Amino acid sequence: AQSVAQPEDQVNVAEGNPLTVKCTYSVSGNPYLFWYVQYPNRGLQFLLKYITGDNLVKGSYGFEAEFNKSQTSFHLKKPSALVSDSALYFCAVRVPSGGYNKLIFGAGTRLAVHP
Amino acid sequence: GAVVSQHPSRVICKSGTSVKIECRSLDFQATTMFWYRQFPKQSLMLMATSNEGSKATYEQGVEKDKFLINHASLTLSTLTVTSAHPEDSSFYICSAGEGLMRDREGQPQHFGDGTRLSIL
Repeated sequence: AQSVAQPEDQVNVAEGNPLTVKCTYSVSGNPYLFWYVQYPNRGLQFLLKYITGDNLVKGSYGFEAEFNKSQTSFHLKKPSALVSDSALYFCAVRVPSGGYNKLIFGAGTRLAVHP
Repeated sequence: GAVVSQHPSRVICKSGTSVKIECRSLDFQATTMFWYRQFPKQSLMLMATSNEGSKATYEQGVEKDKFLINHASLTLSTLTVTSAHPEDSSFYICSAGEGLMRDREGQPQHFGDGTRLSIL
């Protein structure tokens, strides 16, 4: 079965420190991977994606993610966290379904950045 | 960038009422739109895929007669929760992709801001 796992319910980090939000996946074929962020009572905002090419992908707001095929991981990273980065982060993988592509989301990780 | 507008943002109504939620792609055409449901502190659960001009494709376990989806144009999809009950209370989110999803693999979905539905 195709799935996405985010092993941490919450990640706490001090402002200015580097942050990592973990994601592992299980899919058949080459994975198309995405990270989204959700602020309270809002929809999801696209951060970045991996389709092919360089394993290190750079996205919005200074975030980046590293695709690791051998470990089937796609961890989200940022060198220096901001308090405003506090939000709910979702990792997702695209899977074909009935001729269309749909997203399967991980459970989400709440990031709390403390001043 | 691509913008998806979802309306209303919040609905509070009595049990037995039918509620319609609109999802519009403002600056692009969306052949395919997706409807999700999100429970508190949980992930998004795909309910159905909405296809312009054809019947929606529902995920297993989602009641078609309960959650009516209409995708009448390339910029508008609606979700109607019929005869809503308290257990239907949830956060509903729509998303859309630019162009045909099948032809533009890897393009990110663009999400609306969600609708919080509360049934009393």
